[in-house]
Amino acid sequence: AQTVTQSQPEMSVQEAETVTLSCTYDTSENNYYLFWYKQPPSRQMILVIRQEAYKQQNATENRFSVNFQKAAKSFSLKISDSQLGDTAMYFCAFTSNFGNEKLTFGTGTRLTIIP
Amino acid sequence: SAVISQKPSRDICQRGTSLTIQCQVDSQVTMMFWYRQQPGQSLTLIATANQGSEATYESGFVIDKFPISRPNLTFSTLTVSNMSPEDSSIYLCSVEVIAGRSTDTQYFGPGTRLTVL
Repeated sequence: AQTVTQSQPEMSVQEAETVTLSCTYDTSENNYYLFWYKQPPSRQMILVIRQEAYKQQNATENRFSVNFQKAAKSFSLKISDSQLGDTAMYFCAFTSNFGNEKLTFGTGTRLTIIP
Repeated sequence: SAVISQKPSRDICQRGTSLTIQCQVDSQVTMMFWYRQQPGQSLTLIATANQGSEATYESGFVIDKFPISRPNLTFSTLTVSNMSPEDSSIYLCSVEVIAGRSTDTQYFGPGTRLTVL
């Protein structure tokens, strides 16, 4: 069974600074997908970024980028020039390329951006 | 992506009653999922709902407690039956959007906040 671990329950950072959220996972699969979702107080789950395991290049989406280390099974999220609207719960998630494609979520990191 | 709506957005119910949550998508999708998010917790998959077949339930969830319908490719319902306070959670539906041959990505509805008294 796949597991996803987020070891930072809470983090805070000053506005405009850079912050990195950690995620590790465990799987025996070779092909899989990794995601970061954001859940602000409105509770809407919003896709931030995704990474295909077969791609060596790290995914980027504007201020968001990942550091994907397949051998280490690590998938961290870097938020540059953080903004107040980035305050939210961030969940790392995994799905394999086979099976029923369900998402396995980590326990989340509560990120607070301080003005 | 996909635009997903859920009804109701929130509800307060008495124990022993049932609530049906609706999930509507703006495009046809094959796979729909129902998740539960207990207070302060992460998301746990309840079941996968494919059109034209019985829902597939995860360990710890049963059809009698969480019956699911999937009448077409844009709609699904989840019923929380014979509710108890332990069922107080956010219930989210999601859909899987397949982008060509590559990444299958799930997009989520806004969630239904259920409080059982």
